[in-house]
Amino acid sequence: GDSVTQMEGPVTLSEEAFLTINCTYTATGYPSLFWYVQYPGEGLQLLLKATKADDKGSNKGFEATYRKETTSFHLEKGSVQVSDSAVYFCALSDRASGGYQKVTFGTGTKLQVIP
Amino acid sequence: GAVVSQHPSWVICKSGTSVKIECRSLDFQATTMFWYRQFPKQSLMLMATSNEGSKATYEQGVEKDKFLINHASLTLSTLTVTSAHPEDSSFYICSAGDRDSYGYTFGSGTRLTVV
Repeated sequence: GDSVTQMEGPVTLSEEAFLTINCTYTATGYPSLFWYVQYPGEGLQLLLKATKADDKGSNKGFEATYRKETTSFHLEKGSVQVSDSAVYFCALSDRASGGYQKVTFGTGTKLQVIP
Repeated sequence: GAVVSQHPSWVICKSGTSVKIECRSLDFQATTMFWYRQFPKQSLMLMATSNEGSKATYEQGVEKDKFLINHASLTLSTLTVTSAHPEDSSFYICSAGDRDSYGYTFGSGTRLTVV
């Protein structure tokens, strides 16, 4: 079945440092890929997405490129802020047998940015 | 954009009682809704998938008689935790989308504490 593997955290960075959170996936079809962010005590928010190979998703300074050849969707940001501290989930959605899009999540990576 | 409202955001109940959690899509019709459970510092575990007007599909290991899911309309799904016990304490999150959604909109989650 489908699976998502992302780097274990926590990741601790100083403000303005460069961020990379690795994510790789396995899927039988042609999935769409996502990054979600969860702030403490809250639900998930969609951060960015890419629906086909070579697409680049971007939002709020974060970027991720859908790499089919390496089955990866690494999250990057050039300069993190304290407000970026959260848990980041890589996910994919694929067409399930019932016809709907089923979402599979990675285990999440906690990011802590210190001033 | 699409908004999913989940209510209540937190609830404390006595062991043996039942608790109902609501998930509403506010500005779109959700043909499919998902219920997840999140344990501390862990990823989201899909509990069940519900399609409007039909019975929910439960993931392996999830007790359907304990976690009752109803998706009676295109804008509302409910999860009822019956005869709750302390081990049911967790963070429950719903998500909703239409059939062609690439990624779903998540509710803000419900923190359930059973005492």
